[in-house]
Amino acid sequence: GENVEQHPSTLSVQEGDSAVIKCTYSDSASNYFPWYKQELGKRPQLIIDIRSNVGEKKDQRIAVTLNKTAKHFSLHITETQPEDSAVYFCAASSGTYKYIFGTGTRLKVLA
Amino acid sequence: GAGVSQTPSNKVTEKGKYVELRCDPISGHTALYWYRQSLGQGPEFLIYFQGTGAADDSGLPNDRFFAVRPEGSVSTLKIQRTERGDSAVYLCASRDGNNSPLHFGNGTRLTVT
Repeated sequence: GENVEQHPSTLSVQEGDSAVIKCTYSDSASNYFPWYKQELGKRPQLIIDIRSNVGEKKDQRIAVTLNKTAKHFSLHITETQPEDSAVYFCAASSGTYKYIFGTGTRLKVLA
Repeated sequence: GAGVSQTPSNKVTEKGKYVELRCDPISGHTALYWYRQSLGQGPEFLIYFQGTGAADDSGLPNDRFFAVRPEGSVSTLKIQRTERGDSAVYLCASRDGNNSPLHFGNGTRLTVT
């Protein structure tokens, strides 16, 4: 069945450094890839998404890259700040109703 | 505007009891999802509604779980004969079209004692 693998499961970076989280998907029909940030005890919130017709998208300190050939996509956070500390989830959708989520990455930004 | 609303935010129940969890999606969103999230895990798909009908309930773990959406808006997730293993955060989400983001509610934290 469809599967999304996410790495690493935990990531600690110094404030100001960059953080990269990677996801790999199995369904070659996947064409929509959202990223969610979930703070402790709160709802997952969309932070950025990318569709398969582009290879990269950027929004201020956050960027996502997509490699359709390799079936992987990555989240890049630059100039990390303590408030970036949270759990991040990737997801993949094939244009139907199914969204398959990764297992999450716990990011800790050390002040 | 109003987001996805879930009630109650917390529910503690005894093993064997029946519980109902409510989700009020964003107005106009025809697609509604229920997910379950255990500590340290990603959201696990339970059921998907398109309008009033359950288009895919393949994620429901067993026949103790049931969900309805009678008027195509509010949905209720029903769990019979609760077990301690049902303890988790139950998330509801809605969206307004294919390849558009899911908007999540704050979830209901269910604890079965």
